[in-house]
Amino acid sequence: GDSVTQMEGPVTLSEEAFLTINCTYTATGYPSLFWYVQYPGEGLQLLLKATKADDKGSNKGFEATYRKETTSFHLEKGSVQVSDSAVYFCALRENSGYSTLTFGKGTMLLVSP
Amino acid sequence: EAGVTQFPSHSVIEKGQTVTLRCDPISGHDNLYWYRRVMGKEIKFLLHFVKESKQDESGMPNNRFLAERTGGTYSTLKVQPAELEDSGVYFCASSQELGAGVVNEQFFGPGTRLTVL
Repeated sequence: GDSVTQMEGPVTLSEEAFLTINCTYTATGYPSLFWYVQYPGEGLQLLLKATKADDKGSNKGFEATYRKETTSFHLEKGSVQVSDSAVYFCALRENSGYSTLTFGKGTMLLVSP
Repeated sequence: EAGVTQFPSHSVIEKGQTVTLRCDPISGHDNLYWYRRVMGKEIKFLLHFVKESKQDESGMPNNRFLAERTGGTYSTLKVQPAELEDSGVYFCASSQELGAGVVNEQFFGPGTRLTVL
């Protein structure tokens, strides 16, 4: 079945540091890929997505590129802020009918001033 | 426009008791999903409603879990009797259908944190 593996956390960074959170996936078909973020006390929010190979999703300074050859969708940001502290979830969804989301375990990011 | 809301935000119960979680989706969203995150693990799919019908309930762990969506509006998820391993955060999400089984982005609620002692 489908699965998503992302790096263990917490990831602790100083403000303005470069961020990478690794995500790899296993899927039977050709899925869409997502990054969701959960800020403290809030629900999951879609951060960015990519629907096919070589697509780059971007939002709020975050980027991730759909790499079919390495089955990866790593999240990057050039300069993190304290307000980026949250839990980040990588997810996939097969592009067929009523398919649902398959998530990774989540990676907590802590950014200090 | 109001987002997906869930009630309660936290629930602490004893093993063997019953708990009912509620989810109010975004108005007009026919698709409603329940997910669960057990501590330190993945967020796992539980089930999917299209209007009042269960489209997919393959993720429901066992028959102690009962989900309903009467009238195709809000949904409830009842756990009876609750066991220790049911502890976790239960998320609800909703989405619009774009037609021919293609659904739009899922919007998530804040979750209900359930603790079974």
